[in-house]
Amino acid sequence: GAGVSQSPSNKVTEKGKDVELRCDPISGHTALYWYRQSLGQGLEFLIYFQGNSAPDKSGLPSDRFSAERTGGSVSTLTIQRTQQEDSAVYLCASSLPPLYGYTFGSGTRLTVV
Amino acid sequence: KNEVEQSPQNLTAQEGEFITINCSYSVGISALHWLQQHPGGGIVSLFMLSSGKKKHGRLIATINIQEKHSSLHITASHPRDSAVYICAVLGGGADGLTFGKGTHLIIQP
Repeated sequence: GAGVSQSPSNKVTEKGKDVELRCDPISGHTALYWYRQSLGQGLEFLIYFQGNSAPDKSGLPSDRFSAERTGGSVSTLTIQRTQQEDSAVYLCASSLPPLYGYTFGSGTRLTVV
Repeated sequence: KNEVEQSPQNLTAQEGEFITINCSYSVGISALHWLQQHPGGGIVSLFMLSSGKKKHGRLIATINIQEKHSSLHITASHPRDSAVYICAVLGGGADGLTFGKGTHLIIQP
């Protein structure tokens, strides 16, 4: 597609439930990133995929968070046993190799109640 | 870990004024991004710099690698420029971007 597509755009879930967030990067972009923006806080890096290499998971805040990227394209960020502090906007971005410009998706606003 | 500092945190100016937003970082980088986030939350990448200067319309971004400093300038500012401007750096040991806290810019008519 023309841009990075994320779904759903909004998600309200009950504490303790699992959620899956989806990112469709721009076709041909080999690098894919997940970021999180919490209320009152800045953006923080979560995870990075580059081609078929093992992902850099150094930003994941806990083992409840995981992500996968199938076929080098679509990525899913999964949060298990959601907590209220997981409430945030989750942003996906993609690029050609990392030193090219980024394109951000419009984000998924997750609210854990 | 790279520390990214932006200044000012908040800036209110009148339409037509020349705007400067500054960004400094602590560790050498491979690239620096300037991002724009509008009230709806969408993020747009304005520039990616690794050296020198780039210009796009009324926006100019400069970077001084030796001083670990970058500036974003807006000439002839307009109310539609009102947004949060975020500096983010790539490198310094991290694969993902490290972000500044953003500068909230309001341009009054």
